[in-house]
Amino acid sequence: DAKTTQPPSMDCAEGRAANLPCNHSTISGNEYVYWYRQIHSQGPQYIIHGLKNNETNEMASLIITEDRKSSTLILPHATLRDTAVYYCIVPYSGSARQLTFGSGTQLTVLP
Amino acid sequence: KAGVTQTPRYLIKTRGQQVTLSCSPISGHRSVSWYQQTPGQGLQFLFEYFSETQRNKGNFPGRFSGRQFSNSRSEMNVSTLELGDSALYLCASSLGLAGGPTLYEQYFGPGTRLTVT
Repeated sequence: DAKTTQPPSMDCAEGRAANLPCNHSTISGNEYVYWYRQIHSQGPQYIIHGLKNNETNEMASLIITEDRKSSTLILPHATLRDTAVYYCIVPYSGSARQLTFGSGTQLTVLP
Repeated sequence: KAGVTQTPRYLIKTRGQQVTLSCSPISGHRSVSWYQQTPGQGLQFLFEYFSETQRNKGNFPGRFSGRQFSNSRSEMNVSTLELGDSALYLCASSLGLAGGPTLYEQYFGPGTRLTVT
C-alpha cells in the first residue's frame, strides 16, 4: 500500500467543520484513496473513496489535490458522535486485496 | 439491507483450546475479509475469501484458518489458542470485484471479542 501520513490527533468544536488531512505522496496513478473511521469498540466504518475528483456523500466530502499527493476529509458539521479514529488508506492497486490500517487520526469533537 | 453479522459477540476460551467464529456478509457481497485488532498491533489483515476461495492471506501462523461457504458466509478457526490471540476479530464484506474500487469498500461487522485465559 502507498504510505499515508496523518496527524495523530485533532480537536474540533461541535457544529464546526472537521478537516482531516492525509499525505500520500507515493500514490500511483490508478490508486484510490479510502477513508474509514472507527468509533471506540465498534468495527470500522467505510466513509468515502476517491481517485482524482472531489467526492461527496451523505457522510463527508473528500478533497484530493491535483497532484494527488494529499487529501482532506471534511465532516461539514461535526457532532459528538463523530468522535472516532479516522483512517486514510491507499490500497495497493495490485492483487493484495487487503486494507492496511495505520495509526489514523483521533478526532475529538468538543461540546 | 441488513449489515454484516458476527457470532458470537463475546467468547472466553482457555489456552490450548480451539475456536470458530462466524460471519454473515451483506446480501450480494461475495468477498469476506477477516482482521484482528489488538491494542499493541492495531488492525491486521488475516485473510480474504471470494467465491469460496482464499485470495489473500496475511502474516499469521497456520493456526489461523478460514473458509467460505457457497452462500458467502464465512468462518475462521484458531487452533491451539495462545494468550496473545486475545483480540477483537472483525469480519468485513464487499462486492469484491477484482480490479475495481469496490473491493476496498468494505463493510465491517461489530466483531467478536475473544479472551484467552
